[in-house]
Amino acid sequence: GAVVSQHPSRVICKSGTSVKIECRSLDFQATTMFWYRQFPKQSLMLMATSNEGSKATYEQGVEKDKFLINHASLTLSTLTVTSAHPEDSSFYICSASASAPQGDTQYFGPGTRLTVL
Amino acid sequence: AQSVSQHNHHVILSEAASLELGCNYSYGGTVNLFWYVQYPGQHLQLLLKYFSGDPLVKGIKGFEAEFIKSKFSFNLRKPSVQWSDTAEYFCAVNNYNQGGKLIFGQGTELSVKP
Repeated sequence: GAVVSQHPSRVICKSGTSVKIECRSLDFQATTMFWYRQFPKQSLMLMATSNEGSKATYEQGVEKDKFLINHASLTLSTLTVTSAHPEDSSFYICSASASAPQGDTQYFGPGTRLTVL
Repeated sequence: AQSVSQHNHHVILSEAASLELGCNYSYGGTVNLFWYVQYPGQHLQLLLKYFSGDPLVKGIKGFEAEFIKSKFSFNLRKPSVQWSDTAEYFCAVNNYNQGGKLIFGQGTELSVKP
């Protein structure tokens, strides 16, 4: 099956620093990647959708200058949390879709737990 | 706005009991429907999906789901659960008019007692 990896799996940083999270599709080319945030005991909240080679589309209420997304290739997307604060602590999950997003399945990465001190 | 509702937040069953988890969505257009499972400490895995055709969909590990368009429902079923089915289950919907974005339900935590 399609495999998506994320790195790092866990990161702890000081308030005010920036953190980069990588999402890779290992055995397929991902035209579209999605970034989610999951709070404890809650569902996934979509943050943004990124298509290879174009700017990400952010959901309402998500600050694009704080959560920088780059989808430079068909197998890699990155999420950078800039000037992180404790309220940004969360579980960040990416997913990847092999073709046009309509009608395709998303495959999820294992997630990255971010803790901001 | 489109939404997905899962009726049960926490379900507790004994092994061999039958399972049915409810899922309803609000969108009336063409949709694709999914059930994902998240085992403790692991990432989301696809259980099954419905795009078109037979509304009764069979997935992995003995799970199945039935799409009832008139009820906007996509309930998940398993005739006999096992302790290893203990996990969080998420229903999700995407539709063509929103760029294929997945809208997730709140999730249902299933605890199976051995």
